[in-house]
This record gives sequence, C-alpha cells and structure tokens, in this order.
Amino acid sequence: GESVGLHLPTLSVQEGDNSIINCAYSNSASDYFIWYKQESGKGPQFIIDIRSNMDKRQGQRVTVLLNKTVKHLSLQIAATQPGDSAVYFCAEIPASDKLIFGTGTRLQVFP
Amino acid sequence: NAGVMQNPRHLVRRRGQEARLRCSPMKGHSHVYWYRQLPEEGLKFMVYLQKENIIDESGMPKERFSAEFPKEGPSILRIQQVVRGDSAAYFCASSTGRGWQPQHFGDGTRLSIL
Repeated sequence: GESVGLHLPTLSVQEGDNSIINCAYSNSASDYFIWYKQESGKGPQFIIDIRSNMDKRQGQRVTVLLNKTVKHLSLQIAATQPGDSAVYFCAEIPASDKLIFGTGTRLQVFP
Repeated sequence: NAGVMQNPRHLVRRRGQEARLRCSPMKGHSHVYWYRQLPEEGLKFMVYLQKENIIDESGMPKERFSAEFPKEGPSILRIQQVVRGDSAAYFCASSTGRGWQPQHFGDGTRLSIL
C-alpha cells in the first residue's frame, strides 16, 4: 500500500547562491536518470537527464552528477533565482519505460 | 507543461461513484503513462499504454481501476466505486516511444472523495 506521507526535506538558499539537491536511487540496472521540477499545482517539468554511462552532464545553469558506485544523483543549480523555488524530484528508469520517482526535495529561495 | 492536456483539473466525487480522468497526449506522442501522487510524496507509476494496448499495468490496483487509450480520442483512467483513499493527484505523461525521449507531463487531475 501507499506509504505514510512525510514532510519533504527542504533546502533553503539565498538568491544568487548555488543549490545542490541530492538523491539516492535504488536500482543499479537503471539506464537513465532524470530531474524534474514541480511547482505548486502543476505537473513535473523535465529539467535534465543523464545516461548511466555518463557521470556528469551540464545544461543551462544546471548540472547533474551521477555516482553509480554509491547510487547517488545530484542536481546543481547555479545562481539560484526565486523562480527556481519548487519541489525537485529525481527519477530513474529501469529496463521498462516507467519512471520511478524519489521522494523529492523542496527548494526555497529567499532574497 | 505545454501539450499534454488533462481534464478535468479538479474532480469531486462521493464514495461509491465513478471517476473518469482524461488525458490527451502531446501531438505526435503515442505512448501514455499514468501516475498517482499523494501530498508531499513522489509520483507512483500506475499504467503504461500505447494506442489500443496496455503495455504495463503493474502499478494499477487489481480492482476498481482501469485504463484505456483508444485508437481515436484521449486516454481514460477510470476508477469505479471510489473510496476516500483514492483522493490524490493523477498525472498523465506522454512520449514518442522512439529511443529515449523524456516523458512530458500534464498538470494533473486533483480527485477529492467526499
């Protein structure tokens, strides 16, 4: 059945600082890892992805790092802006196409 | 979340009624996925469909829940005889299914059971 809901971990950063959001995944056979951003009342929005044969990928203001040894994924956001405030989810894709989401981290940006 | 359209955005039902949630994928996408999200939690996979076929329904409850994606028209997630525990946000995503392409999500349907 569904697990009991818990308060999301929260990361509070000052505008302009860099943010690092971490995620532990469970399936070592996953081929792809994705970061999604979810704003209140909206669906997840794709940010960046990385294949399992890579350890780093950069986008605009965002970098994803993958450490397969410890099954760890991180999202780095440079020069965090108020518009970055949202809940961030990592997701993995094992052999099938379905996404397996992590529990999420709430990012709060204050001036 | 341009492209994936879900309706209604909010749906209120009484216990025992039926809920029908609709999803129109992005143009050119033939693969549809349904996920459920409880407050303060991540999304949980329910079902993966292509046109007229259910590919993976491993996340669907065995009873009361069904999904379809007909040749014409939107994908439908149907919940019969709803109970309070069905209250959640239901999200639909779509993809092209060709190689690796990210799933694009709609803004969801918030289902409330009285």
